[in-house]
Amino acid sequence: GQSLEQPSEVTAVEGAIVQINCTYQTSGFYGLSWYQQHDGGAPTFLSYNGLDGLEETGRFSSFLSRSDSYGYLLLQELQMKDSASYFCAVNNGANNLFFGTGTRLTVIP
Amino acid sequence: DVKVTQSSRYLVKRTGEKVFLECVQDMDHENMFWYRQDPGLGLRLIYFSYDVKMKEKGDIPEGYSVSREKKERFSLILESASTNQTSMYLCASRQETTQYFGPGTRLTVL
Repeated sequence: GQSLEQPSEVTAVEGAIVQINCTYQTSGFYGLSWYQQHDGGAPTFLSYNGLDGLEETGRFSSFLSRSDSYGYLLLQELQMKDSASYFCAVNNGANNLFFGTGTRLTVIP
Repeated sequence: DVKVTQSSRYLVKRTGEKVFLECVQDMDHENMFWYRQDPGLGLRLIYFSYDVKMKEKGDIPEGYSVSREKKERFSLILESASTNQTSMYLCASRQETTQYFGPGTRLTVL
């Protein structure tokens, strides 16, 4: 079977750094993606890791270790608008994405 | 900018009705997807299509069917709606490694 595990909830202070972990077990693996979803909104693409290592996009970074079946999303200089749900998703080669259940991030003042 | 639109934001139907959810994308993407999203369960794939008239079952296809007559349009059909199909339905299209989602349709089946 396939599974992705990520924490259900995380709370962090404005201006701080937060890391959201994702471990996966899938039948195939081509890459790990991260999506952000605000309440009432659609998921939007944040980042993709096809190879091991760190990808940086502004305040957001994403890391992948294929040997550990593990990745994380790092959010720096947290802002109130970063309060949202964050989903990791595996490209398992079957022409689609398999999503985790999401991590709800709450940023507090 | 990629735009994915869905026919309705909110829909209320009765048990047993046939329901059509429409999705249109304007970027000539070959791959399109239908997901449902429920609290605590994340996004679950119902069906996807990689070309006109082509479709593949996702993880939870039971009770659903799809239609892709034109490249830009992907329809989800509930042949006989049931209360357990009350959910948020999200359509997406894909370019390379990025999926672009529509705003979603919140369907309530009474």
